[in-house]
Amino acid sequence: GENVEQHPSTLSVQEGDSAVIKCTYSDSASNYFPWYKQELGKGPQLIIDIRSNVGEKKDQRIAVTLNKTAKHFSLHITETQPEDSAVYFCAASNQAGTALIFGKGTTLSVSS
Amino acid sequence: GAVVSQHPSRVICKSGTSVKIECRSLDFQATTMFWYRQFPKQSLMLMATSNEGSKATYEQGVEKDKFLINHASLTLSTLTVTSAHPEDSSFYICSAWGGETQYFGPGTRLLVL
Repeated sequence: GENVEQHPSTLSVQEGDSAVIKCTYSDSASNYFPWYKQELGKGPQLIIDIRSNVGEKKDQRIAVTLNKTAKHFSLHITETQPEDSAVYFCAASNQAGTALIFGKGTTLSVSS
Repeated sequence: GAVVSQHPSRVICKSGTSVKIECRSLDFQATTMFWYRQFPKQSLMLMATSNEGSKATYEQGVEKDKFLINHASLTLSTLTVTSAHPEDSSFYICSAWGGETQYFGPGTRLLVL
């Protein structure tokens, strides 16, 4: 089955810096890669996703890149703000309607 | 966007009792819903796939007789933790596909005393 590895497990940055979180997946059939932000005591919130037919997607300060050949994808947050502090999870699935397989998460801390 | 709700948000129960958690898709129909469990500072682990009108599919290591799932309509799935024990204390989260995106509920914090 699919296995998703996520690094780093913790990341501390200064406000205004960029943050990058990387994930690798094992199943070459996976074609959907979402990123979720989870705040303490809450459910995950989708922040951006990418499908295998594109290599990059951007939404304001957030971007995701996908390298299908290497089977890895990354989350990029620019101009970080304290409210970006949370746990971020990457995930993968091989078709719509199936369960997501999650990475272990990255705790991002943005200090002002 | 699509919304998934859960009820209750928090429950405390005594060991040996059963607890029911509801998951609803509020503005879309979901033939399939998913139940995840999350322990503190850990990732989401898929427990089971809930299928409307048929039996749920459980992940390896998840006891189907302990975690009863009922998906009686296209907008409601329930998870019942039977004979709960302290080790069942966790954060339970459901999700459903709304179009091409999977949406998650706010989670239910279960504490078994």
